[in-house]
Amino acid sequence: GAVVSQHPSWVICKSGTSVKIECRSLDFQATTMFWYRQFPKQSLMLMATSNEGSKATYEQGVEKDKFLINHASLTLSTLTVTSAHPEDSSFYICSARRGSTIYFGEGSWLTVV
Amino acid sequence: GENVEQHPSTLSVQEGDSAVIKCTYSDSASNYFPWYKQELGKRPQLIIDIRSNVGEKKDQRIAVTLNKTAKHFSLHITETQPEDSAVYFCAATDTDKLIFGTGTRLQVFP
Repeated sequence: GAVVSQHPSWVICKSGTSVKIECRSLDFQATTMFWYRQFPKQSLMLMATSNEGSKATYEQGVEKDKFLINHASLTLSTLTVTSAHPEDSSFYICSARRGSTIYFGEGSWLTVV
Repeated sequence: GENVEQHPSTLSVQEGDSAVIKCTYSDSASNYFPWYKQELGKRPQLIIDIRSNVGEKKDQRIAVTLNKTAKHFSLHITETQPEDSAVYFCAATDTDKLIFGTGTRLQVFP
């Protein structure tokens, strides 16, 4: 079964609104989770490292005020895309490590119209 | 930071032939090198991985080789089947923060 779960699987939002994506570790605690973005026919690009109880660490070029990450518990990290624009439309996916294996969530398709 | 390059970007083979995908990395501290298969709109699926203390690893039709000195690693798929058709990504890391290659679209023709 799933080890890392993501919700929603897909979401459509209007330009200018905000949307939240959740990433949960199932049956294990994850002090660190990672968020990636994948545009069509491209690779997975690391956006940020989500740290439980502290601020997220963002990769170069990723706007921290636009992509808000909260990791308030050991099993949940959330990514909020604020003031979304059509260019933010993408596949967002999270990951976490359990034991020696890195697991990915199912991914979330975001379409901004 | 780490930078991973992957070649080729597309690869077409006849069913039963072998396929080889190559990646190079830049950070000598990287010690974990997984390979993922991704189907459209789905999460990456780990197919094989290798750690820096090993030079080669094999799992049935899939093998990975690692050359730490040259900082490159390769995926080998033998006896390819149409269901092997997908996009394959290599990645490298020394932590849990994966840096992905650009991907290879593999097409296996019957």
